[in-house]
Order: sequence, then structure tokens, then C-alpha cells
Amino acid sequence: DAGVTQSPTHLIKTRGQQVTLRCSPKSGHDTVSWYQQALGQGPQFIFQYYEEEERQRGNFPDRFSGHQFPNYSSELNVNALLLGDSALYLCASSLAMGPLTYEQYFGPGTRLTVT
Amino acid sequence: GENVEQHPSTLSVQEGDSAVIKCTYSDSASNYFPWYKQELGKRPQLIIDIRSNVGEKKDQRIAVTLNKTAKHFSLHITETQPEDSAVYFCAGGLNQGGKLIFGQGTELSVKP
Repeated sequence: DAGVTQSPTHLIKTRGQQVTLRCSPKSGHDTVSWYQQALGQGPQFIFQYYEEEERQRGNFPDRFSGHQFPNYSSELNVNALLLGDSALYLCASSLAMGPLTYEQYFGPGTRLTVT
Repeated sequence: GENVEQHPSTLSVQEGDSAVIKCTYSDSASNYFPWYKQELGKRPQLIIDIRSNVGEKKDQRIAVTLNKTAKHFSLHITETQPEDSAVYFCAGGLNQGGKLIFGQGTELSVKP
């Protein structure tokens, strides 16, 4: 049973560029959340996708956008990269049943460095 | 706004001693409080969680207590071992799979 997978593992981009990160949820899961973890800090919630729609959003600018595909996988897009966007980007998947969702399982993360 | 404060930021104990990490949350609506362990370069892993209708939960050497009135919750690790060394994060949210607000983390070092 595959856990949450993310690609790529590491990425280096230049200020102003755009980046796309990818996440495949744990088998059987249908909900994907994205978190940004700056060095030495706790993860910060970016947004959550369920049924191909953004269900919840944290306090992040519109430069951060996402998408969920019919197979439940998800992408995180960041436009006009800033140096401050350098962080570990974590994807977490869970299973929703009606109004309830269950434990979140985290992926290994994508380390983004903006120079 | 929503906030979770975690203390201490670093904790060093001798093997066999107990370790306690404390968190305070601001959102009264929070009713789910997980604790994650993150080893260097690895993903956060859930080690224990508690819901607001329970005051204490235990799993072998790990226990979590919750004081909903004071908006405090704590992680207790007994008989610590070197492999317990990691960064521990507390978090709060409305439910298991929803938005989680994380604390800043506690780096626990267990010295043999």
C-alpha cells in the first residue's frame, strides 16, 4: 500500500519564476492538503482540495494556487516566486466521509529553494 | 486569529527521564489536537492525538492531556530513549482531516 508521494524531491528556482509541485495521496484517500514548512518552523496550512475543489484556504496570497485531478492527485502552483517562498512543501492526504475527515498522512515533502 | 504556542523550543533529557512539551491554543472551536514527530529530513508522523471530549489519552510511553477550559494540552514521554530524539509538533484543528494549526516545534534531545 503506497503512502503519500511527492515530486520532485528538491527544486531550485529563480525569483519571479513559476513552480509546480505534485502529490499523490495514500491509496483510498480522497482529500489533499498542502502545507508550507519554513526552516525551523511548524507547517503552515496553504489549502485543502476535495472533490476537485478548494475546500479550505489558509492565509496565503493568490500566487499560491492548486488543482485536484479525478484520480485525487494534486498540484500546487506558485507564481512570481519570492525568496521567502523557500521552504519544504508538504502534502497530506486523508479520507472524507460526509462532513468528517480522518487522520492526515504526510508525504516526504518537496524542498524548494528560490535564489 | 488562530494560533498555537508551543514550549519549550528545545529540550534535553537523560535517557530514562521523562519529557513534557506544552501547547496553548487560541481558537475555542478547536476540538482535535494531534502530536507529530519529525525526524531530520523526514515527514511528520502522527504519534498520538486527542479530542476535546477526552481529558487524557495514553499509548505505551506516550500520553497527552487536555485542559479545554484553559486551552492547554501537553505531551508526556516517559522512560525516554535516544530514538525519541526528534522535533515534536503540536497542532489544533476542528477535525482530523481539516486545517491544522501547528506550534513552532520542540527539538527533543535524549542523551544516552
